[in-house]
Amino acid sequence: GAVVSQHPSWVICKSGTSVKIECRSLDFQATTMFWYRQFPKQSLMLMATSNEGSKATYEQGVEKDKFLINHASLTLSTLTVTSAHPEDSSFYICSASFRRNSANYGYTFGSGTRLTVV
Amino acid sequence: AQSVTQPDIHITVSEGASLELRCNYSYGATPYLFWYVQSPGQGLQLLLKYFSGDTLVQGIKGFEAEFKRSQSSFNLRKPSVHWSDAAEYFCAVGPSPAGRRALTFGSGTRLQVQP
Repeated sequence: GAVVSQHPSWVICKSGTSVKIECRSLDFQATTMFWYRQFPKQSLMLMATSNEGSKATYEQGVEKDKFLINHASLTLSTLTVTSAHPEDSSFYICSASFRRNSANYGYTFGSGTRLTVV
Repeated sequence: AQSVTQPDIHITVSEGASLELRCNYSYGATPYLFWYVQSPGQGLQLLLKYFSGDTLVQGIKGFEAEFKRSQSSFNLRKPSVHWSDAAEYFCAVGPSPAGRRALTFGSGTRLQVQP
């Protein structure tokens, strides 16, 4: 299947610092990548959609200057949480759509990153 | 606007019992429907998907789902639950099978399995 590798799986940072989360598509070209945030015991909330080579499209209420998304290549997308604060602590998940052939396509997800800001 | 409703926040079943998780969707066009499972602290794993054709879809781990257009439902079923099935289950709908727009997720159903 299509695999997205997400790193790190967990990170603890000090308030005011920045943290970068990477998602790499290992066996396909990820034209479109999605970034979600998930609070404990809640569903996934879409933060932004990024297409390779273009600026990301952010959902209403998501601060684009705080959550910087870069999708400069077909295999790598990054989410940088800038000047992180405790309220940014959450579980972040990336996802990519893929189409390998007429029978193998869909959406695949990274394993998530647990961010704790102290 | 599209939406997904999972009416059951939490379900507890005994190991070996049958399971049905409900999912209702609202979508103006042909829906592409998915069921994912998430273990604590993990990403989402695809159980099955429906795009067209046979309305009864078989997935991994013995799960199946039935698409009922008249009821706008896509319920997930398993005839005999195993303790390892305890997890969070998400139903999702999308505008295409693999496109540039994200899936819309339901709020999830947490499954507990009693020994």
